Amino acid sequence: QVQLQESGPGLVKSSETLSLTCAVSGASISSGDHYWTWIRQHPGKGLECIGYIYYIGYTYYNPSLKGRITMSLDPSNNQFSLKLRSVTAADTAVYYCARERSSGVRYFDYWGQGTLVAVSS
Amino acid sequence: DIQMTQSPSSLSASVGDRVTITCQASQDISNYLNWYQQKAGKAPKVLIYAASNLEAGVPSRFSGSGSGTHFTLTISSLQPEDFAIYYCQQYNDFSTFGGGTRVAI
Repeated sequence: QVQLQESGPGLVKSSETLSLTCAVSGASISSGDHYWTWIRQHPGKGLECIGYIYYIGYTYYNPSLKGRITMSLDPSNNQFSLKLRSVTAADTAVYYCARERSSGVRYFDYWGQGTLVAVSS
Repeated sequence: DIQMTQSPSSLSASVGDRVTITCQASQDISNYLNWYQQKAGKAPKVLIYAASNLEAGVPSRFSGSGSGTHFTLTISSLQPEDFAIYYCQQYNDFSTFGGGTRVAI
């Protein structure tokens, strides 16, 4: 059974860096079969893909957030991470990590439960 | 980037109704389109992938169709557990979601 679990501070001060980690069980992030993805959902709003990281360290970031994002892998702990710099109130959202199939048909087949991150002034 | 427009943004329906939700892409995305269901406080769950393929374990009352720029999700007979928000998602160019359709009683 594949499970993903986000962790990190629920409150971040404006202009600082948001840091989240996604622990994966039941699957290996070192497999080439999937992308490891971050998605966020602003309160009461729709879904926005932040970006993804592949097992070789290749990353793709949403152009609207590019320049503020860094994603990384921690294979020894089977987890991956997100850092979002210079946050503002507009970054307040529920952040999900998810697994996306990487070949042929692509979709998010497993998701974490989500973690709410609020940005305070 | 590719914009995804869903309609309606919300609808009211009764148990047993046939419900259709549409999703329009701003450019041709072939069949690179998925549908998700999200219930309150939960992560989305995939229902349909590649426009028309039913994910394992999803009831057969859900179906998807379309290609190019116009897609539909149909629920043939609405059940109480189907009241939720539905999102389309394109993966032709990175990934973007539609704005969602709330299905309410």
